[in-house]
Parts: sequence; C-alpha cells; structure tokens
Amino acid sequence: NAGVTQTPKFRVLKTGQSMTLLCAQDMNHEYMYWYRQDPGMGLRLIHYSVGEGTTAKGEVPDGYNVSRLKKQNFLLGLESAAPSQTSVYFCASKNGSPNSPLHFGNGTRLTVT
Amino acid sequence: GEDVEQSLFLSVREGDSSVINCTYTDSSSTYLYWYKQEPGAGLQLLTYIFSNMDMKQDQRLTVLLNKKDKHLSLRIADTQTGDSAIYFCAEHPGNNRLAFGKGNQVVVIP
Repeated sequence: NAGVTQTPKFRVLKTGQSMTLLCAQDMNHEYMYWYRQDPGMGLRLIHYSVGEGTTAKGEVPDGYNVSRLKKQNFLLGLESAAPSQTSVYFCASKNGSPNSPLHFGNGTRLTVT
Repeated sequence: GEDVEQSLFLSVREGDSSVINCTYTDSSSTYLYWYKQEPGAGLQLLTYIFSNMDMKQDQRLTVLLNKKDKHLSLRIADTQTGDSAIYFCAEHPGNNRLAFGKGNQVVVIP
C-alpha cells in the first residue's frame, strides 16, 4: 500500500516548456486535489476532482489543466511554464466520508527558469 | 468565506509546551484539522475536532476550539525534537475542499 505517489520528485523547466505531473493513489479514494505550496502563502488549491471523469477549479487554476481519466490517477499539466509557477506541488486524496483526512504525496519541486 | 490565519514562527525548548493558534472565518465549518509537515514531506493529519466540541485530547496533543471567536489552538506537551515541523490548521466547510492556513513553523531547541 503506497498511499499517494507523485512523480517526478524534482524538475527544472525553461519558460514556455510544458510538462505533466502525475499523482497516483491506491486507496480507492473518490476525491483528489492538487495544491501548490509557496513560502508565506501556505497551501493553495489549484484544481480538484470529486470522481473519475470530473474536475473543478480551485483558488489558483490559471495556467494549469488537469485530467482524471482513471480513478486512481490525477494529472496536472502546465502547457507553457512561467517562472511564477516555480513552487512545490502536492497531490492529496480522500474518501467520501465528511471527516476523512487528506492523504498527501511527498511533493514535486518544480523550478521554472 | 474561507480565510484561515496563523502566526508564522515559534521556537520552543525541548520539554516545554508549545501552543499554536489559528483563526478561521467560515462558521459553517463542521470539522477543523491540524496537519504536520516535516521537511521534504507532504502533510500528515495530526488530529481533528468536530465543531460541536470544545476540547479534544490525544496523548501529548490538546486541541481547543472557541467557536464563538472562531479560534483554534493546538498545544503540544513535553515538546520533543521530532515535533520540529510546520503545522497547518485547516477547516472543512463541507464543500469537498479544505482551506488551509499559511502554516506555523515550530523549531524545537535541544
């Protein structure tokens, strides 16, 4: 039981390049989330999904796209990376119970030069 | 709306108690949470409290909730070096999302 796995762990991009961050969970969770963590800003929700085939915007969705084609995977895409997207990205998942906790991955550190 | 506020930094000597405070604004939040983030890792749930409770104790952790003032605190008794981390409070207003505070870094001095 691996929990929530994020790949890659680190990445450096040039401005304008694209990439996809992968999140996989093996807990059969319905809900999945992508957050970014920046110094002094805490965690901000980018996009989330309440089930396979559905996605929704969070607080800071601009510049990102997501897909949830399979229940266990939630992909975060950057079509044209910008230096402002330099951050640590966390994926999380939870089941449908109201008080169930979020399970986090260990993060992807992305630097855009 | 959802707006969780936390102070940023706390240093404490090993063996002393730590208290971390948090305020939130969404009175409809049914659950409030404390998460811990160790260096290089994701967040892990420490404890949570249901909104109809005033206090919850879990070993060295005590959570106090003042719903009238929308104030949440976490007390760590007998703080140990392994408690050095960033602590986030979060509220769950019931829309399938959590709103996190900015985090409070706790540094334990041996």
